[in-house]
Amino acid sequence: SQQGEEDPQALSIQEGENATMNCSYKTSINNLQWYRQNSGRGLVHLILIRSNEREKHSGRLRVTLDTSKKSSSLLITASRAADTASYFCATVPPNRDDKIIFGKGTRLHILP
Amino acid sequence: DAGITQSPRHKVTETGTPVTLRCHQTENHRYMYWYRQDPGHGLRLIHYSYGVKDTDKGEVSDGYSVSRSKTEDFLLTLESATSSQTSVYFCASRWGGNEQFFGPGTRLTVL
Repeated sequence: SQQGEEDPQALSIQEGENATMNCSYKTSINNLQWYRQNSGRGLVHLILIRSNEREKHSGRLRVTLDTSKKSSSLLITASRAADTASYFCATVPPNRDDKIIFGKGTRLHILP
Repeated sequence: DAGITQSPRHKVTETGTPVTLRCHQTENHRYMYWYRQDPGHGLRLIHYSYGVKDTDKGEVSDGYSVSRSKTEDFLLTLESATSSQTSVYFCASRWGGNEQFFGPGTRLTVL
């Protein structure tokens, strides 16, 4: 079964606004990753945050991790039409870096 | 993008026929993965490989087998396709870091 669960399942915002997606997971992790999937394409890695990190930035992306609550959030600032995609969190268990478990994703739609 | 390709990109087949999907990567990645993606289920792991001839099952492995005789190729076989195996199949690979690189996907329809 999926480890990560994204919330909300779908999100529509106006271009220029910030988009926040959340991911909750059930068991301990080594790291958590976020991926983007454009319609009809494969997933693309966005950012990785390790279990001993609390926040990470990459361009317009900000990821936070709260291991006590077993949750992570992905913030996309100043959204653009090109950000329209599905976003997935994925978790890697401790001592099992051969496995990565994906959630069901959040569908983000940026309105013009 | 990492050099990872899938073939075929689209396939329509009939129930009971065997089907083989191919994943090819040119990055010398150690790990390779096969997933299926279905509405409402997200991405589910079918099988993965952690080296040549070393494979293991994922969460939805029933009805599927895999083989990896070379580092660059990872084959997924449906011995006798069923309609429940209609899906989009993604291959992924990675080396030592945890970032996975995905192929473009194969859309399989089983009639």
